[in-house]
Amino acid sequence: QVQLQESGPGLVKPSGTLSLTCVVSGASISSDNWWSWVRQPPGKGLEWIGEVSHTGSTNYNPSLKSRVTISVDKTKSQFSLKLSSVTAADTAVYYCVSSLLGVGTFDYWGQGTLVTVSS
Amino acid sequence: QPVLTQPPSVSAAPRQRVTISCSGSSSNIGNNAINWYQQLPGKAPKLLIYYNDLLPSGVSDRFSGSKSGTSASLAISGLQSEDEADYYCATWDASLNCWMFGGGTKLTVL
Repeated sequence: QVQLQESGPGLVKPSGTLSLTCVVSGASISSDNWWSWVRQPPGKGLEWIGEVSHTGSTNYNPSLKSRVTISVDKTKSQFSLKLSSVTAADTAVYYCVSSLLGVGTFDYWGQGTLVTVSS
Repeated sequence: QPVLTQPPSVSAAPRQRVTISCSGSSSNIGNNAINWYQQLPGKAPKLLIYYNDLLPSGVSDRFSGSKSGTSASLAISGLQSEDEADYYCATWDASLNCWMFGGGTKLTVL
């Protein structure tokens, strides 16, 4: 059973950096797949943030690219998100997502973690 | 204005069939596969359909997907109360170099 679990601070100050980690179990993070972050502001739709491959290659949403870093740690079977210079507009539930069935299938999702940007 | 356009809401009675549309362009739906997700209240999204019309293991065959040109549709037959949820389409947009989600459609089972 594939499981993804997000962790990280639930509260980040404006202008600070949001940091989240996703631990993967039941699947190999070293396999030829992509691992993504998707977010959802309260009451709104889904927004893809970016993705990382097992080799460390990344693709980012152009609207967030200047502030986002996604990395993978194969030794710990986890991947991470850093979003810098956050504002209230970055308040959202953040999901880590796998694409194991194929490119961009977003087939397994973590439960999500709410990150609030507030002083 | 989302790149992928979905109706904000649809409704139908139990046991009826409902379709949810997703309209795009040649830079996204027209040249890329589309996926559909179901998000129950307070839950993470769940993959319903991938690569236009494929069902992941464990997903009910009451759900089906289709694509024609720059539009796609999700159909749900034999509606049940537990189908009340938000539904999202998603695909790659080659112009934006980005995975894009539709704005979402709220399904109400009357």
